[in-house]
Amino acid sequence: SAVISQKPSRDICQRGTSLTIQCQVDSQVTMMFWYRQQPGQSLTLIATANQGSEATYESGFVIDKFPISRPNLTFSTLTVSNMSPEDSSIYLCSVGGESQPQHFGDGTRLSIL
Amino acid sequence: AQSVTQPDIHITVSEGASLELRCNYSYGATPYLFWYVQSPGQGLQLLLKYFSGDTLVQGIKGFEAEFKRSQSSFNLRKPSVHWSDAAEYFCAVGAPGGYNKLIFGAGTRLAVHP
Repeated sequence: SAVISQKPSRDICQRGTSLTIQCQVDSQVTMMFWYRQQPGQSLTLIATANQGSEATYESGFVIDKFPISRPNLTFSTLTVSNMSPEDSSIYLCSVGGESQPQHFGDGTRLSIL
Repeated sequence: AQSVTQPDIHITVSEGASLELRCNYSYGATPYLFWYVQSPGQGLQLLLKYFSGDTLVQGIKGFEAEFKRSQSSFNLRKPSVHWSDAAEYFCAVGAPGGYNKLIFGAGTRLAVHP
């Protein structure tokens, strides 16, 4: 399976600031996914990122808050904008081929003060 | 609406005891089914998957799961638990075919007593 690296692994940020999370894959993949895991909760899909097109956002998530870039087949970024304490979560990227299971990175643990 | 239910939030077992984690789903058709494990401070690791065929699937670390269509269930089992199995376990479903978006259950946190 693909090796997925996320940066940073954790961060503590001030409210009102923005943070960009990077996801790097060791092989070319068509689809990348971004999830949020709030404290003590399960995973919720934020958006699906396909190279060369706009990301597709799930209900409750908007591009202004969570802009996503997908410049090539091995890389994506998720920005958490204008952060508030409610954004304190683990953010995970995953990759999956067609009719294939998804594999996840180790996540970015984000705390907002 | 599509959903995944993991009825047990916390489970505690003794090392060497057997384990069964429950998962029920609500879906329009038979979905793809997955179990993932998340150790503290880690991402999610795929334990096993069911796409079609044999309803008893084997996974890594000695885990297996059985798909029961009549019960809309996909329970995870292990005959003898090791202390290193202590983690959070997530059941997930995805649309069959294509690039399936996953819907996750709430998770079951497993504690293992020595």
